[in-house]
Amino acid sequence: DVKVTQSSRYLVKRTGEKVFLECVQDMDHENMFWYRQDPGLGLRLIYFSYDVKMKEKGDIPEGYSVSREKKERFSLILESASTNQTSMYLCASNEAGGGWIETQYFGPGTRLLVL
Amino acid sequence: AQSVTQLGSHVSVSEGALVLLRCNYSSSVPPYLFWYVQYPNQGLQLLLKYTTGATLVKGINGFEAEFKKSETSFHLTKPSAHMSDAAEYFCAVSAGGGSQGNLIFGKGTKLSVKP
Repeated sequence: DVKVTQSSRYLVKRTGEKVFLECVQDMDHENMFWYRQDPGLGLRLIYFSYDVKMKEKGDIPEGYSVSREKKERFSLILESASTNQTSMYLCASNEAGGGWIETQYFGPGTRLLVL
Repeated sequence: AQSVTQLGSHVSVSEGALVLLRCNYSSSVPPYLFWYVQYPNQGLQLLLKYTTGATLVKGINGFEAEFKKSETSFHLTKPSAHMSDAAEYFCAVSAGGGSQGNLIFGKGTKLSVKP
């Protein structure tokens, strides 16, 4: 079974703090993704990575950065957290073969509250 | 550009009744279409997907969806609802390969199942 794990289920941070969200997958997938999920807005892609040290901006990259130093790990960084970044963050991964049509496997999510 | 519209943010059915969740898409190229389900406090998992070939697609847990190009629709159905089907359902579209192929998710439909 594919397993995607996220370092925290719940996180509370203060405005201006630097926040790290970690994601690890155990299936040797090439592609990894970070989404944010907000009620009434569905999921929106923040960043994705198709290889170690490679990254591409998604639809809403502003205020975020990412790091992929190892194939299995993909980190989302909020350089200076703001209240409008309060959200559920979902990590996903998939195989490279079929690109976007390959099934994405999701982690359980990290619910971030920025005060 | 691709977009997805899910009609109805909340749908309520009785146990044993037909489940119908509506999804309409917009795509400038032949689309790839997906339904994902999110159970409470979990990440998303794939229910089914249409890439090419047969337009009626069967998924897990008795769900199926039919790709209708003329109606630009990909509605999700299940003949008989079960209490365990209560979840949020997301329709998604992709243009396939390349940098513009990322999944575009709908806003989600929350399904409630009454005993």
